Amino acid sequence: DIQMTQSPSSLSASVGDRVTITCRASQSISSYLNWYQQKPGKAPKLLIYAASSLQSGVPSRFSGSGSGTDFTLTISSLQPEDFATYYCQQSYSTLLFTFGPGTKVDIK
Amino acid sequence: QVQLQESGPGLVKPSQTLSLTCTVSGGSISSGSYYWSWIRQPAGKGLEWIGRIYTSGSTNYNPSLKSRVTISVDTSKNQFSLKLSSVTAADTAVYYCASTHYGDFDYWGQGTLVTVSS
Repeated sequence: DIQMTQSPSSLSASVGDRVTITCRASQSISSYLNWYQQKPGKAPKLLIYAASSLQSGVPSRFSGSGSGTDFTLTISSLQPEDFATYYCQQSYSTLLFTFGPGTKVDIK
Repeated sequence: QVQLQESGPGLVKPSQTLSLTCTVSGGSISSGSYYWSWIRQPAGKGLEWIGRIYTSGSTNYNPSLKSRVTISVDTSKNQFSLKLSSVTAADTAVYYCASTHYGDFDYWGQGTLVTVSS
């Protein structure tokens, strides 16, 4: 199995802050990495696919980078609606998709 | 815009079989190169992929659940279904259905809470 880790597990930030979340895979997954945003009581929403491609309709303040084992999700200027939990997910192993444990972003 | 909606019992007794259906609207379940997945999330915890099906009937299951899971598709109803047998309290979770194009989950249902309790 490909294990996914995220850091930090939680962070507090203010509106307007630049926020960076890191995701690491237990083995190389090329660019088969996706990012999701989940708000309480809601389904996850796809933000970034293939490590750096912005899903249609997602604001450009979200960006993704990385390849191999190390990946980053960046929010360039945090907005009130961005307070949520963020998950990474590997799609390299099509026999077993796995998610990271999540990073909760809350208000400082 | 594709929409997905889960349906099924919200309460299942231990040792019984959990059965859920996902109805796809806004597009044909048979169109394109989409797979159709089930994902679950226990309260306050992370996401676990359960398995997926292609409209040909080809399936992939999470090895940790494989012995208990069956995913099927009914293209005439634009639906796919999940059966999870021999459930325990550990199977209590919100269950989501989702579409999978290239391994990313681009459309999701709203989720349905299934509680395993006597």
